[in-house]
Amino acid sequence: DSGVTQTPKHLITATGQRVTLRCSPRSGDLSVYWYQQSLDQGLQFLIQYYNGEERAKGNILERFSAQQFPDLHSELNLSSLELGDSALYFCASSAGLSEAGTEAFFGQGTRLTVV
Amino acid sequence: AQSVTQPDIHITVSEGASLELRCNYSYGATPYLFWYVQSPGQGLQLLLKYFSGDTLVQGIKGFEAEFKRSQSSFNLRKPSVHWSDAAEYFCAVGSNDYKLSFGAGTTVTVRA
Repeated sequence: DSGVTQTPKHLITATGQRVTLRCSPRSGDLSVYWYQQSLDQGLQFLIQYYNGEERAKGNILERFSAQQFPDLHSELNLSSLELGDSALYFCASSAGLSEAGTEAFFGQGTRLTVV
Repeated sequence: AQSVTQPDIHITVSEGASLELRCNYSYGATPYLFWYVQSPGQGLQLLLKYFSGDTLVQGIKGFEAEFKRSQSSFNLRKPSVHWSDAAEYFCAVGSNDYKLSFGAGTTVTVRA
């Protein structure tokens, strides 16, 4: 158990809908990262938050947004869903930034299926 | 831009045999390098990481990796594979803000 909790584990929804994925980082970790794992794109970095502020952005679509709350949990919001958004979405957390030699711990992921 | 290439999509190895998974990276500065393992239906677990120092890195589950700057490689090895090592393995390179770029992964099948 990595200590990173993601809910829900599975989500099935229709095209055009909006969903929210939730991530609780390990106790004390300030950084949260979101990744998307799909068959055609592999593992892609989406976005990183550090202590409530957006730190880095990757290949995140404009239909997607995220935030990190004062209690450090994070939510990834996916809207106007398309079939191609079906993927496994991972959250990871780390104590700080990599200069400190920290490592990222991954949750078990939320499997999103868009039908 | 940073990127990772894992040339082998799938490797089959006999239990007890040695295993080597290849990883080549492209990165403009000193890279932070990682190997993760993903078992079916599971999240990613860190096997080992290289930030600096000794180029031979020991990880969990008996894995090790060697950083070779001249070859831009960070190959993962295990001397004797167990059936429980069947999984997908990902090499990743990180920037200093820990945004990881992953390779496409190598699936390891272990035969009895």
